Amino acid sequence: DVKVTQSSRYLVKRTGEKVFLECVQDMDHENMFWYRQDPGLGLRLIYFSYDVKMKEKGDIPEGYSVSREKKERFSLILESASTNQTSMYLCASSQQVGNQPQHFGDGTRLSIL
Amino acid sequence: AQSVTQPDIHITVSEGASLELRCNYSYGATPYLFWYVQSPGQGLQLLLKYFSGDTLVQGIKGFEAEFKRSQSSFNLRKPSVHWSDAAEYFCAVVRGGGSNYKLTFGKGTLLTVNP
Repeated sequence: DVKVTQSSRYLVKRTGEKVFLECVQDMDHENMFWYRQDPGLGLRLIYFSYDVKMKEKGDIPEGYSVSREKKERFSLILESASTNQTSMYLCASSQQVGNQPQHFGDGTRLSIL
Repeated sequence: AQSVTQPDIHITVSEGASLELRCNYSYGATPYLFWYVQSPGQGLQLLLKYFSGDTLVQGIKGFEAEFKRSQSSFNLRKPSVHWSDAAEYFCAVVRGGGSNYKLTFGKGTLLTVNP
């Protein structure tokens, strides 16, 4: 089974801090994704990566950056956290084929105080 | 642009009753479609997928979905709901191409199951 592991289930940070969310997958998938999930808004794509060191903006990239130095690891960075970034963050990975599903981690619930 | 609409934000059913969750998509060609389920505090788990061929697809946990091109719909069904099915359900359609396949999600339907 595909395993997508997010480093923290719950995280509390302060406004202005630099925050790192880590995600690791064990199935050698080319594509990796970061979403945020908010009540009533569903899942919104922040960034995705289709190869090592490659990244593309999703639908809501403002205030975020990402890093993919190794194929199995995809990091989401909040450069200067703000309270409106309090949310559930979900990482996913998939093969680079359109008919293959994305596999999700359990999520990180991030609170910015 | 591709889009997904789940018209029902919240549905309540009694245990043992049948269930249908609606999903409508907007896409020019034959879409790749998915249904995911999210239990409280968890990530998303794939229930089933449709790519082509038979329009009735079977998934895990006794769920099935029917693709209807004429109605641009991909509704999820289950004949008899169990209390453990209480969760949020998301429909999704693939967008993009080449190496850049991404998913567009509906906003979800929250399912409550009464005993």
